[in-house]
Parts: sequence; C-alpha cells; structure tokens
Amino acid sequence: NAGVTQTPKFRVLKTGQSMTLLCAQDMNHEYMYWYRQDPGMGLRLIHYSVGEGTTAKGEVPDGYNVSRLKKQNFLLGLESAAPSQTSVYFCASSYVRAEAFFGQGTRLTVV
Amino acid sequence: RKEVEQDPGPFNVPEGATVAFNCTYSNSASQSFFWYRQDCRKEPKLLMSVYSSGNEDGRFTAQLNRASQYISLLIRDSKLSDSATYLCVVNSYNTNAGKSTFGDGTTLTVKP
Repeated sequence: NAGVTQTPKFRVLKTGQSMTLLCAQDMNHEYMYWYRQDPGMGLRLIHYSVGEGTTAKGEVPDGYNVSRLKKQNFLLGLESAAPSQTSVYFCASSYVRAEAFFGQGTRLTVV
Repeated sequence: RKEVEQDPGPFNVPEGATVAFNCTYSNSASQSFFWYRQDCRKEPKLLMSVYSSGNEDGRFTAQLNRASQYISLLIRDSKLSDSATYLCVVNSYNTNAGKSTFGDGTTLTVKP
C-alpha cells in the first residue's frame, strides 16, 4: 500500500521562485493536512481540507496556497518563496475522528 | 495559550526505567486522542489511540482524563529504541469543521 505519497522529497529554491508540493493518498480519506516542521520545533498546521473542493487555513497559512480538486490529492503552493519557508513539509490524511497518516516529508531549502 | 500543550522535556532515563508524559488540551469538545512517535527527521507515526477507559499496548499505557482535559502516556521498562519524540494529538470537530491538533512533542532519550 502506498498510503500517503509526497512529491518531491527534496527541493532547493531561489528566493522568489514558485513551486507546488503534491500530496497523494490512496486510502479514500476525507481529511488532508499540510504541516511544516522547523528544526527542533513541533508541527505547525498550514492549511487543511475536510473534503474535495474545500480548504481552510491553519495556524501559519501566510505565503502558501492550497487546492483540493480531487479527493486523493492535496496541493501546496508557494507563489514567491522566501528563506523563512525553509522547512520540512509533511502532508497527512485521515478519516473523520480517526488517526492521521503521514507522508515521508519534503525537505525544502530556499536560498 | 496553545490548544494542546506538552512538557518538551527532554526526558533522559536509563534503560529499564518507567517514564510518563502528560498532555493537556483546551477544547472541551475534543473527541478523539492519539499518541504519535517521531524519530529524528522522519514523519510522525501512530503509536496508539487513547480511549476513555484507558488502554494498554505491551509496555505502553495511555489514559484520558476528560474532566481535567489531559491525556497521558506511560512507558514501562524503557528500551534504547524508545528514544524519540512523542506527540499527543487531539481531534476536535465542533470548530472549523474539525481538524487534528498536535502538541509540540516530548523528547525522550533512553541511555544504557
């Protein structure tokens, strides 16, 4: 079982560049989440989605946009990358009231 | 105040020790609770769910106290391989259509 797959695993961007992180899940989960985790810190929720076509802001949404056009995919976009967005990005998905399953993470460096 | 709070530690214990972590949450309408384990630079993975009556999985025991709004994790007979960061998770469904909220984690180091 693939579970939750994130693409890419690593990326280096220059300041001002844009990129899209893809999260795909094959478990038919309703809920999907994007988190960022800085070194030595906890997870911070960027955006989340409770179903296809719906998204909501989390704790740290500024500088990011998301889309959930298909139930199995949740895209995270950075329109103009900044060094402060250097982090590890985790995607997760879950059924309602159930545990979340995580992807392996995307390590993003903005120089 | 954060929705979910944990003692960050670190907890440094010898092998064989018993160690307990607590986690408090502020949303009284929270409906499901979990403990996750995260190894360095890896994704969090589910350790166990937390049920109202308390539950045990081998050396691990989880408990929920709804009245005081906290959950706990007890690890008995600690192993070197238990060294990790332990995250508590609280799911709430009465606000923002529901979401999972993670604590910042408690770091455990088990030493020989």
